[in-house]
Amino acid sequence: QKEVEQDPGPLSVPEGAIVSLNCTYSNSAFQYFMWYRQYSRKGPELLMYTYSSGNKEDGRFTAQVDKSSKYISLFIRDSQPSDSATYLCAMVHTGANSKLTFGKGITLSVRP
Amino acid sequence: GAGVSQSPSNKVTEKGKDVELRCDPISGHTALYWYRQSLGQGLEFLIYFQGNSAPDKSGLPSDRFSAERTGGSVSTLTIQRTQQEDSAVYLCASSFRGETQYFGPGTRLLVL
Repeated sequence: QKEVEQDPGPLSVPEGAIVSLNCTYSNSAFQYFMWYRQYSRKGPELLMYTYSSGNKEDGRFTAQVDKSSKYISLFIRDSQPSDSATYLCAMVHTGANSKLTFGKGITLSVRP
Repeated sequence: GAGVSQSPSNKVTEKGKDVELRCDPISGHTALYWYRQSLGQGLEFLIYFQGNSAPDKSGLPSDRFSAERTGGSVSTLTIQRTQQEDSAVYLCASSFRGETQYFGPGTRLLVL
């Protein structure tokens, strides 16, 4: 079992839909949680960063962390065609030299 | 300012040849990371440099892989005697003292 599991996708939704992306993890030492967005042939870019259980909102994006269930989610409201990309969850545990452990990523397509 | 740059963008090589991949981090960033992104495996940590400390090489898949960082700035990842399973996108990231990691566009390596 990999340390971080992510729903495999791909996922296709109509414009304006609410999107829910999820990851689970097995190592309780993970303390910092991130969501990266990666467009085709580009490097990943950081979308959201959080370290505590609960919700964190930034515009149309909400990151949710449940440490007791070892589960994180990213919600995208009013999805746009420009949101079409691969979304990767990533996490860091203390003492890990900040190296990121990633989920495999899910490719999202938002249809106009 | 300029982001993380990587060269070459694409590299095609023959099995058994050596390749060198270059990363120019963001100026002033003390930490530099190499990751590999391949189909089916997602994004995996390879090696981490932080200032003058000994690098964390725990993610290197074999002794054919090595990396150096000269003068605390530019880094080169070398793969000796390349194998077809080395085909992947090699991503470099940099950060200031282990905080948010900024990724380059990657080098797409194809081993024939």
